[in-house]
Amino acid sequence: GAGVSQSPSNKVTEKGKDVELRCDPISGHTALYWYRQRLGQGLEFLIYFQGNSAPDKSGLPSDRFSAERTGESVSTLTIQRTQQEDSAVYLCASSLGAVPLEQFFGPGTRLTVL
Amino acid sequence: GIQVEQSPPDLILQEGANSTLRCNFSDSVNNLQWFHQNPWGQLINLFYIPSGTKQNGRLSATTVATERYSLLYISSSQTTDSGVYFCAVSNSGGSNYKLTFGKGTLLTVNP
Repeated sequence: GAGVSQSPSNKVTEKGKDVELRCDPISGHTALYWYRQRLGQGLEFLIYFQGNSAPDKSGLPSDRFSAERTGESVSTLTIQRTQQEDSAVYLCASSLGAVPLEQFFGPGTRLTVL
Repeated sequence: GIQVEQSPPDLILQEGANSTLRCNFSDSVNNLQWFHQNPWGQLINLFYIPSGTKQNGRLSATTVATERYSLLYISSSQTTDSGVYFCAVSNSGGSNYKLTFGKGTLLTVNP
C-alpha cells in the first residue's frame, strides 16, 4: 500500500515568510509524528498526534511553530515568520496506533530559508 | 531524556566485507528501530527490535535490552549499503512514543 507522503518535497522561502508543510499518513494509522533533521544530524521530535487525544507539542522549538491534524488523516505543520535556523528537512511519520509501535517515515520536506 | 550513542561514527569498507554497528542507550526502552537513510534522505525501516534477534537477508540485528545496547550486522556489504544508519529508541516511561535518534553511522562501501 501507499506509504507516508509529504508535500512539497522542497520549499525555498525568504526570511519572515510563513510556510505550510503537509503530511498524509499511511491509511489506517492513527498516530502521526513530526520530526526535524538539521544538516548532518539525527532527527529531533517536534509533535505527536494520536486519535482524538490532545497532541504532545513539547518538541516544538518556538511559538512560531504550530501543527494541526484533521481527524486521523492529513496533518499540516506551519512555521510563521521563518528564520534561517529553521532551514532543515521536516519529516513526518505514522504508526498503526497506540505505543509502542513501529514508525514509518515519509520522504521529508527540505526547507531552505534565505 | 534518554541518550543514544552510536559507534563508529564513520566506517569505510570494501565490497564484500562484514561490519557491526553498535547502539548504546541510557535507559529502558519499549521501541528500538534501525533505519538506513539513503542518499536522497529517505529513511528506510530495517528493523523494529526492542528485544531479541531478527534477520533479513544480509542484515541482522540483536537488542539486549537488559544491557542497553543493540547491534546491527551487515554481511557481504554492497555499494548500495552506503548511507547513514540510525538507531532510534523510545523510553519505556513518560512520553514513550517519541523516538530519540542517535547521530548515526556513515557507512561507505567502496567497489
